[in-house]
Amino acid sequence: DGGITQSPKYLFRKEGQNVTLSCEQNLNHDAMYWYRQDPGQGLRLIYYSQIVNDFQKGDIAEGYSVSREKKESFPLTVTSAQKNPTAFYLCASSIGTGMRTEAFFGQGTRLTVV
Amino acid sequence: AQSVTQPDIHITVSEGASLELRCNYSYGATPYLFWYVQSPGQGLQLLLKYFSGDTLVQGIKGFEAEFKRSQSSFNLRKPSVHWSDAAEYFCAVGAPQKLVFGQGTRLTINP
Repeated sequence: DGGITQSPKYLFRKEGQNVTLSCEQNLNHDAMYWYRQDPGQGLRLIYYSQIVNDFQKGDIAEGYSVSREKKESFPLTVTSAQKNPTAFYLCASSIGTGMRTEAFFGQGTRLTVV
Repeated sequence: AQSVTQPDIHITVSEGASLELRCNYSYGATPYLFWYVQSPGQGLQLLLKYFSGDTLVQGIKGFEAEFKRSQSSFNLRKPSVHWSDAAEYFCAVGAPQKLVFGQGTRLTINP
């Protein structure tokens, strides 16, 4: 089945630690995205990548980093600089970044700082 | 600036009743509009999309939405809801790298 796989589903982090969230897609999509979801705030874009080895900051990139070494993979690292990292993180992908394009989402990773 | 407003944070309907979820948008160009559904602890599933053409679009699970440019609206409808429709619904506008989401409407179904 084609789709987007995020792992782990739940992740706990101690304050001061970096953690990496995995996102893999087998849809052969060029573009991939990371969103953060907080209760009552909808989704906000963290980073996106249109092609391999290239990525751009979204609206809330501070405290996060990404890499795009392979077309299929777009891991997100939540660094210790992120002041409030507890949230639900969603990875998405799309064929491209043109206007007539829809995004497909993974099942999410819930990160909790303990 | 682009924005999406979903005026209803929470709606409760009885099973079998009709449903309409409201979405108003502000967008400078031709809007590309989406409705997504999210079950608790899950990702988002695309219900339907509007790019151009017929202003009444059909989606999955029996949902439809009507684009009304004059009202800047893209309301989601279903003639008869099922208990499995209980979820959170998000309206969004724009290209994927500039998607703007509404804050969501949580739908509860009474048996």
